[in-house]
Amino acid sequence: GDSVTQMEGPVTLSEEAFLTINCTYTATGYPSLFWYVQYPGEGLQLLLKATKADDKGSNKGFEATYRKETTSFHLEKGSVQVSDSAVYFCALSEASGYSTLTFGKGTMLLVSP
Amino acid sequence: DGGITQSPKYLFRKEGQNVTLSCEQNLNHDAMYWYRQDPGQGLRLIYYSQIVNDFQKGDIAEGYSVSREKKESFPLTVTSAQKNPTAFYLCASSRGYQETQYFGPGTRLLVL
Repeated sequence: GDSVTQMEGPVTLSEEAFLTINCTYTATGYPSLFWYVQYPGEGLQLLLKATKADDKGSNKGFEATYRKETTSFHLEKGSVQVSDSAVYFCALSEASGYSTLTFGKGTMLLVSP
Repeated sequence: DGGITQSPKYLFRKEGQNVTLSCEQNLNHDAMYWYRQDPGQGLRLIYYSQIVNDFQKGDIAEGYSVSREKKESFPLTVTSAQKNPTAFYLCASSRGYQETQYFGPGTRLLVL
């Protein structure tokens, strides 16, 4: 079945550092890929998405490129802020069959001043 | 503003009691979903509904029930058969099935 694997956290960075959170997936078809962010005590917010190979999703300085050859969708940001501290979830959705969102376990990001 | 609301924010359940979590959306979305989140885990699908008066079990439906009598509402009942109900429950909706899902703020259920 489908699965998503994320790097384990927490990831601890200083403000203005470069961020990478790795995400790889296993899927039988051609899924859409998502990054969601969850701030403490809140629901999930859609951060960005990509629907086909080589697409780049971007939002609020975050980027991720859909790499079919490496089945990856790594999240990057050039300069993190304290306000980026949250849990980040990678997810996929297949376009056929029984299909909702399959989530990774989440990666906590802690940014210090 | 359009969005998804969940109530209450916190809910306490006594042993043997059924409790119902509310989820309402004013986005005019056809599909709605319920997820359970446990600490350090990803989200797991409980139930989903593609259209009014129709719903299907997800990966962990045992001990839960739902209804979809109105397009904007998808309440979740945690029954006494759910032996480990303590978790954070998230409702989501999408314009159509398999389209991008948007989430509510969640309800935290605790057992007394």
